[in-house]
Amino acid sequence: GAVVSQHPSRVICKSGTSVKIECRSLDFQATTMFWYRQFPKQSLMLMATSNEGSKATYEQGVEKDKFLINHASLTLSTLTVTSAHPEDSSFYICSPRGVEKLFFGSGTQLSVL
Amino acid sequence: KQEVTQIPAALSVPEGENLVLNCSFTDSAIYNLQWFRQDPGKGLTSLLLIQSSQREQTSGRLNASLDKSSGRSTLYIAASQPGDSATYLCSISSGSARQLTFGSGTQLTVLP
Repeated sequence: GAVVSQHPSRVICKSGTSVKIECRSLDFQATTMFWYRQFPKQSLMLMATSNEGSKATYEQGVEKDKFLINHASLTLSTLTVTSAHPEDSSFYICSPRGVEKLFFGSGTQLSVL
Repeated sequence: KQEVTQIPAALSVPEGENLVLNCSFTDSAIYNLQWFRQDPGKGLTSLLLIQSSQREQTSGRLNASLDKSSGRSTLYIAASQPGDSATYLCSISSGSARQLTFGSGTQLTVLP
């Protein structure tokens, strides 16, 4: 069965609203969480890396105040897209790392109108 | 900074053909290389994982090779089927956080 639960799988929102994406590791503890973004027909780009209980490390060009990452527990991390705009429309995937193994969520398709 | 390139960007083949997808990377200091499959609008399915010390891995009709010295990997798919149609992504694990760097993918279409 699935070991990572990411939801929602799809969200449509109006420009200016905030959207929260949840990623849960169901039967393992994820000390590290990676968040990726994928634009149509492009590859996954790492947005940020977070360790449980610590502030996330953001990749160059990713606004930390816009993409808020919370990794308060070993089984849950959230990505909040604040004041979303149409250019934020993308496919977001979480990737929790267990002991020596990396897992992936099923992704969230965000469409901002 | 690790960079991963995949060639070709798209490939269309008739059912039954054997095919090779290519992946190249710039920094040979890697932990592992992984091939994924991604269906439209879906997450990633891991196909094969090759550790840094290994040269190839096989699973069913799939065979992946790794040549660190040249910075290259290939994914060989034997006797392709329409169900193999998907985007195939190559990723490299490197860096202190062992984060993955992905290639831009090869979109494969297998025609019945």
